Amino acid sequence: QKEVEQDPGPLSVPEGAIVSLNCTYSNSAFQYFMWYRQYSRKGPELLMYTYSSGNKEDGRFTAQVDKSSKYISLFIRDSQPSDSATYLCAMSDPGSARQLTFGSGTQLTVLP
Amino acid sequence: NAGVTQTPKFQVLKTGQSMTLQCAQDMNHNSMYWYRQDPGMGLRLIYYSASEGTTDKGEVPNGYNVSRLNKREFSLRLESAAPSQTSVYFCASSDGGTLTDTQYFGPGTRLTVL
Repeated sequence: QKEVEQDPGPLSVPEGAIVSLNCTYSNSAFQYFMWYRQYSRKGPELLMYTYSSGNKEDGRFTAQVDKSSKYISLFIRDSQPSDSATYLCAMSDPGSARQLTFGSGTQLTVLP
Repeated sequence: NAGVTQTPKFQVLKTGQSMTLQCAQDMNHNSMYWYRQDPGMGLRLIYYSASEGTTDKGEVPNGYNVSRLNKREFSLRLESAAPSQTSVYFCASSDGGTLTDTQYFGPGTRLTVL
């Protein structure tokens, strides 16, 4: 079983929809949780990061962490065609010496 | 600033050939990383260098070697390429001060081993 599970999709939504992307994990030592966005044939770029449980909002993006359920989410409001990309969750624990554990990514397409 | 650059962008090798993937960053970052990305597997860390002069193994180091040539450059070498090393390779860098440092990724090298 992988440490981090992420539904690969693909996920297609109409422009303006609310998108929910999720990851589950098994390592209770994870404390830092990140979402990366990767456009086709590009390198990943960091969207958001959160520490421990709770919510964090940045514009149209909201990241949620529920450590009790070992479940993290990324919500995208008013989705745009420019949001079409693969979204990767990543997480790490304090003892991992900067090693991030990535999910396999969810491919999202926002249709105009 | 170019950020993180990688060469080459594409490469095709035959089994047993060797090659070096080059990575450079112009952000004066201390830490650099090499990942591979395979379908359904996400990004997996091959090697990293926390600072100039140091390197450490990641999750999947077998079949690879690295060199931190200076603060800017971090190369990945495949001594005897195998079909299992067909992948997209990403280099990344970060300031390295804390565990939550943002990692900045290069555009990737697409490697096919026949």
